[in-house]
Amino acid sequence: GENVEQHPSTLSVQEGDSAVIKCTYSDSASNYFPWYKQELGKRPQLIIDIRSNVGEKKDQRIAVTLNKTAKHFSLHITETQPEDSAVYFCAASLSGGSYIPTFGRGTSLIVHP
Amino acid sequence: GAVVSQHPSRVICKSGTSVKIECRSLDFQATTMFWYRQFPKQSLMLMATSNEGSKATYEQGVEKDKFLINHASLTLSTLTVTSAHPEDSSFYICSAPRDPSRDEQYFGPGTRLTVT
Repeated sequence: GENVEQHPSTLSVQEGDSAVIKCTYSDSASNYFPWYKQELGKRPQLIIDIRSNVGEKKDQRIAVTLNKTAKHFSLHITETQPEDSAVYFCAASLSGGSYIPTFGRGTSLIVHP
Repeated sequence: GAVVSQHPSRVICKSGTSVKIECRSLDFQATTMFWYRQFPKQSLMLMATSNEGSKATYEQGVEKDKFLINHASLTLSTLTVTSAHPEDSSFYICSAPRDPSRDEQYFGPGTRLTVT
């Protein structure tokens, strides 16, 4: 089955800095890669996703890049703000809602004001 | 966006008792729902896939007789933790795809279970 590795487990940055979280996956068949943000005690919220036919996707301060050959994808947050502090999870799955995503272990992002 | 609700949000029960957690899709029909368990500072671990009108599919290591899943309608799946023990204390979250042909999962707000 799919295995997703996520690094780092904790990331501490100053407000305004950029943050990068990296994930690797094992199953070359995976073609859908979402990123979720989870605040303490709350539900995971999808913040951005990318499919395997695209190498990069950007939404305001958030971007995701995908390298299919190397089987890794990354989340980039620019101009970080204290409200970006949360746990971020990457995931990989086959496309189609009936397919179960495999989640990374999560990255706790702390943005210091 | 699609809304998935869970009830209760928090529950405390005594060891040996059972507790039922409900997961509802409020504005769409869900033939499939997923149940996850999340321990503090850990990732989401899939427990089982709930299928409307048929038996749930459990992940390896998850006891189906302990975690009973019923998906009796297209908008409701329930997870019953039977004979709960303190080690069952966790954050339980459900999710559902709004459209099986699409990718996005919508998560419920989670249920914090504490077994004393």
